Amino acid sequence: GIQVEQSPPDLILQEGANSTLRCNFSDSVNNLQWFHQNPWGQLINLFYIPSGTKQNGRLSATTVATERYSLLYISSSQTTDSGVYFCAVNTGNQFYFGTGTSLTVIP
Amino acid sequence: KAGVTQTPRYLIKTRGQQVTLSCSPISGHRSVSWYQQTPGQGLQFLFEYFSETQRNKGNFPGRFSGRQFSNSRSEMNVSTLELGDSALYLCASSSRESYNEQFFGPGTRLTVL
Repeated sequence: GIQVEQSPPDLILQEGANSTLRCNFSDSVNNLQWFHQNPWGQLINLFYIPSGTKQNGRLSATTVATERYSLLYISSSQTTDSGVYFCAVNTGNQFYFGTGTSLTVIP
Repeated sequence: KAGVTQTPRYLIKTRGQQVTLSCSPISGHRSVSWYQQTPGQGLQFLFEYFSETQRNKGNFPGRFSGRQFSNSRSEMNVSTLELGDSALYLCASSSRESYNEQFFGPGTRLTVL
């Protein structure tokens, strides 16, 4: 199956700092999504972004499908941004998840 | 629109028992996928159902099975539970194609003793 790698695995930020999370994938994909998993385990949809750039408030994402990577930008981080961020890709049959980036924002 | 719902939210079973988990998709969504999340293996795809038919299957033993009803609600069954089946089980729904945007439920946390 397709390989999905996320970096960095762990990230600690001071409140107000900016960050970039990266997702590399090994094959062409039909879909790419970014999720934030809250402390109770629910996956919250951030972006559905098979290609191009999208923005939603302090968050934005860019997927360069031809180069097989996606970036998630978090600006002016807040403590509520803490949690695990996953990217997931789909080649047409199933979703493959990365191992996640664990983000801790300290006040 | 109501989101994806899963029941029960928490479950404790003993080895050798079986368990059934339920998932109700977003109204109008016909595709339901199931995932297992463990600390060691991360998030892994179990199977996907569309219009009452299993359309895709991950690499899990036959003890893991599922079905989908005509109203798109889905159930997942695990027989002869093992300690390693302890996990968070998540279901996701999408409107039609499996690669369309997926929306996840809150999950069922299963503990096998």
